Amino acid sequence: DIVMTQSPVSLPVTPGEPASISCRSSQSLLHDNGFIYLDWYLQKPGQSPQLLIYLGSNRASGVPDRFSGSGSGTDFTLEISRVEAEDVGVYYCMQALQAPPTFGPGTKVDIK
Amino acid sequence: QVQLQESGPGLVKPSQTLSLTCTVSGGSISSGNYYWSWIRQPAGKGLEWIGRIYTSGNTNYNPSLKSRVTISVDTSKNHLSLNLSSVTATDTAVYYCARGGGFDFWSGSLDRYYYYYMDVWGKGTTVTVSS
Repeated sequence: DIVMTQSPVSLPVTPGEPASISCRSSQSLLHDNGFIYLDWYLQKPGQSPQLLIYLGSNRASGVPDRFSGSGSGTDFTLEISRVEAEDVGVYYCMQALQAPPTFGPGTKVDIK
Repeated sequence: QVQLQESGPGLVKPSQTLSLTCTVSGGSISSGNYYWSWIRQPAGKGLEWIGRIYTSGNTNYNPSLKSRVTISVDTSKNHLSLNLSSVTATDTAVYYCARGGGFDFWSGSLDRYYYYYMDVWGKGTTVTVSS
């Protein structure tokens, strides 16, 4: 299985400030077709996960443009340009290149 | 708008079989290019993918659970089922069902691909394994 890691484990943020989460995979997530098979999910407190980013950098429908995904090979980043209070929760990266899909351990974002 | 609702016993005894249902509303479970999956989350921990079934009927299971898992679809009831046998306390978790939707895209060499992502999730159901 592809192993996913994330850092930091916990990220206190100030509203209006940027935030960045790192995700790393044990193998390259670059598909032969040239696309990165990585998704990002956010699990808000008490809720089920929701899709934020797919194919490494594409925002899902309804996701604000303050969220952006980037990266290549084995290193990826989710950035929030200006954090809002509603962005708190646990962020997970997930590789979709090989079955079984595997998730990172999560990064908990909360307000300072 | 498709919605998913998990249901099943909240308490299962060790060595028994955990059986859950995910009812799909707002759409047909058997149409379109989708898969239907199960994911679980022990309390305070991360997400573990259990398996999925495509509308074609093909299934994939997590190798760590494969010997104990069966995922199936009942099109007459428009629901997805999960059976996990020989459960232990380590199977205690919130169980989610999710739809794998997606889209067609073309690579730079103009080959066609389909990418799935889990775009609709149920609210989850808590299962405790205890005697």
